[in-house]
Amino acid sequence: NAGVTQTPKFQVLKTGQSMTLQCAQDMNHEYMSWYRQDPGMGLRLIHYSVGAGITDQGEVPNGYNVSRSTTEDFPLRLLSAAPSQTSVYFCASSGRGLNTEAFFGQGTRLTVV
Amino acid sequence: AQSVAQPEDQVNVAEGNPLTVKCTYSVSGNPYLFWYVQYPNRGLQFLLKYITGDNLVKGSYGFEAEFNKSQTSFHLKKPSALVSDSALYFCAVRDNGSGYSTLTFGKGTMLLVSP
Repeated sequence: NAGVTQTPKFQVLKTGQSMTLQCAQDMNHEYMSWYRQDPGMGLRLIHYSVGAGITDQGEVPNGYNVSRSTTEDFPLRLLSAAPSQTSVYFCASSGRGLNTEAFFGQGTRLTVV
Repeated sequence: AQSVAQPEDQVNVAEGNPLTVKCTYSVSGNPYLFWYVQYPNRGLQFLLKYITGDNLVKGSYGFEAEFNKSQTSFHLKKPSALVSDSALYFCAVRDNGSGYSTLTFGKGTMLLVSP
């Protein structure tokens, strides 16, 4: 049982490039989220999804797009990378119900130069 | 809006001593509260949660947390710290009011346990 899998683990981009961070879960969870982690700021929610075909913005959505065509996958797209998007990105999933804990991937460390 | 505060950036404790990592929260309804731990270069791992019922919640690795509704707190505790407990700890909350509520995290507290 793999849980939540994120790829790649590390990525360096040039300013203006685009890329997609992949996230897949095999627990049949309805809820999936993307967070970014920056020193001293904790985890901030970028986008989330409550099911296939349904997405919504979190606290810091600018510069990012998401889609959810299947229950398993929730990719995060950076449209035109900026140095301010240098961060560690985490994908998480959880089952239906607000009392269920979230499961996290191992993270993607992104550097934009 | 829901929020979480972790007032200490870092907590230092000697091995064998009890530890406390503080967390306070704000929600409009009733809270669902969670603690997570992050080891270096790893994702977050779930430790324990409070949903309802007993105010003292027991979790993984000997950790427990005490829910106090009047003080809106959910402090993480362990009777005897280990060096291997050194990590970054996050408190998180969901509001069980109407509609879907996302998970909101505190800024994290670095726990350093010295030998």
